[in-house]
Amino acid sequence: SQTIHQWPATLVQPVGSPLSLECTVEGTSNPNLYWYRQAAGRGLQLLFYSVGIGQISSEVPQNLSASRPQDRQFILSSKKLLLSDSGFYLCASEEQVNEKLFFGSGTQLSVL
Amino acid sequence: KQEVTQIPAALSVPEGENLVLNCSFTDSAIYNLQWFRQDPGKGLTSLLLIQSSQREQTSGRLNASLDKSSGRSTLYIAASQPGDSATYLCAVKIQGAQKLVFGQGTRLTINP
Repeated sequence: SQTIHQWPATLVQPVGSPLSLECTVEGTSNPNLYWYRQAAGRGLQLLFYSVGIGQISSEVPQNLSASRPQDRQFILSSKKLLLSDSGFYLCASEEQVNEKLFFGSGTQLSVL
Repeated sequence: KQEVTQIPAALSVPEGENLVLNCSFTDSAIYNLQWFRQDPGKGLTSLLLIQSSQREQTSGRLNASLDKSSGRSTLYIAASQPGDSATYLCAVKIQGAQKLVFGQGTRLTINP
């Protein structure tokens, strides 16, 4: 099965600072990749998904962006963080064969 | 627009009981449905995936059923244990779309 590496586990950033969260996947090829945000009491919100290198679909317009420079690497970025960007960010990978979704351990982002 | 609802939001039962968690969805045109477990501050772990053509899936003490016509799925946990305490989320994959729509989850507590 897959292993999703996501770091850091926690991050505290000031408002207006940049952000880069990286996710790498082991144990599969050509997965569909996803970035979700989980805010307290609000469930999981899909931010971006990618079906291949350089292919990014955005679900929610905001000041975040995503990139997929390699098959098993997915990066979430922001040029200037807002207070509302605080939350628990989860990277996920979906196998093409059985379509199960595997999640990373998440990054708890606090924007102060 | 697909909406996924999980009721109750929280459930507390004594150890050893069998229990059922509920998930309902508004649009029956789904591709598959997954049940996940999430421990506090952690990522999600896929428990069971049911394709739209299937009625149920089993893994150990877990059994998930799917009734597309009524827009419902249940997760049955037999002989509950304190280690089963976690938040359980269901998610449906929409036909023709890449994304999953998640419910808000049921926070389950098993009391020793």
